[in-house]
Amino acid sequence: DSGVTQTPKHLITATGQRVTLRCSPRSGDLSVYWYQQSLDQGLQFLIQYYNGEERAKGNILERFSAQQFPDLHSELNLSSLELGDSALYFCASSAAGTGGWGYTFGSGTRLTVV
Amino acid sequence: DQQVKQNSPSLSVQEGRISILNCDYTNSMFDYFLWYKKYPAEGPTFLISISSIKDKNEDGRFTVFLNKSAKHLSLHIVPSQPGDSAVYFCAASAAGNTGKLIFGQGTTLQVKP
Repeated sequence: DSGVTQTPKHLITATGQRVTLRCSPRSGDLSVYWYQQSLDQGLQFLIQYYNGEERAKGNILERFSAQQFPDLHSELNLSSLELGDSALYFCASSAAGTGGWGYTFGSGTRLTVV
Repeated sequence: DQQVKQNSPSLSVQEGRISILNCDYTNSMFDYFLWYKKYPAEGPTFLISISSIKDKNEDGRFTVFLNKSAKHLSLHIVPSQPGDSAVYFCAASAAGNTGKLIFGQGTTLQVKP
């Protein structure tokens, strides 16, 4: 157990639908990161939050949004889902907001859009 | 634009031999490099890192080498063990006010008994 909790582990939904992925960071960590891993691809950075505020944005689609709540858990909202959104979505957390030091990943949410 | 590339999708080595995983990058602003290991159905786990001011970092059986002029890094595993079989990702970060990492596509290592 890495200490980063992601729910649900698996999600199957239809095109056009909206889903919410949840992440609880490791105790004491203030930063939360979201990454997408499509088939045979590396991890693509989506967005970073630090202590409730957006810190960095990657190639995140406009149909996707995220937020970090006062208790530091984070949610990634995916709407108007398309087949190409099927992927593994990873959340990671770190104590600091900068530096890129190794951070801790959760076990991921596998999203399948049918 | 793939700023971090792992050109070998897979690598197979015999137990006890050396495994060498390679990674190339294009962005000269990267100042910190990391290797992650990923088993199926798990998230990536941090393995070893190196700062751009160094050319080598060692941790037990794992050594990372950085060649800044060639924009190339490599991970050496000696001796390789069957439990090392996993997907290995290299990642890079640039100095700044974020913790964003840029990952390569990964290399699947298989260590045969």
